[in-house]
Amino acid sequence: GAGVSQTPSNKVTEKGKYVELRCDPISGHTALYWYRQSLGQGPEFLIYFQGTGAADDSGLPNDRFFAVRPEGSVSTLKIQRTERGDSAVYLCASSTAGNTEAFFGQGTRLTVV
Amino acid sequence: EDQVTQSPEALRLQEGESSSLNCSYTVSGLRGLFWYRQDPGKGPEFLFTLYSAGEEKEKERLKATLTKKESFLHITAPKPEDSATYLCAVQAGSGGYNKLIFGAGTRLAVHP
Repeated sequence: GAGVSQTPSNKVTEKGKYVELRCDPISGHTALYWYRQSLGQGPEFLIYFQGTGAADDSGLPNDRFFAVRPEGSVSTLKIQRTERGDSAVYLCASSTAGNTEAFFGQGTRLTVV
Repeated sequence: EDQVTQSPEALRLQEGESSSLNCSYTVSGLRGLFWYRQDPGKGPEFLFTLYSAGEEKEKERLKATLTKKESFLHITAPKPEDSATYLCAVQAGSGGYNKLIFGAGTRLAVHP
């Protein structure tokens, strides 16, 4: 594809439910990132994948959050037992390598009611 | 602790009225300073990367500059289509990858 694709674009879920957010990076990009953006704030780093492995997951807020990238391309961010404070826009980005500029998707707006 | 502060929070300009946005940063060893543009409902769009003090980069009406403590995004003769939120970020940590610390952004509105 031409850019980073994220699905769904919007997700409304009830408190306590489980959600999965999907990211399709730019073809050939080995580095993939998840960020979270709250209203009026800049994005906050969550996790970085180089290939299939999570090289840095220091930004995940707690153990309810988990992300995978089993084949080194598509990634899924998984949130268990969602809380209202998890409401935000979840952004995915990819780059050709870890140290080249990252290109962001349009984000998934998650609302927990 | 690595930190990025952007000012002003919001800026309103008339078309053609040049101005500058500020990004102050504290980081242990700057590996890169990034500027992104973000339109409502969209993800950030990459503009520039600066690596060392004194470096400058230009793109159309935008010019980014870097000192040891801050970066400026200069907008020359802006047009309404330049209206967006401009985000500044620094590369954090020693891993050399895009673990970016973002500021809260400057919301720019350019009126005809």
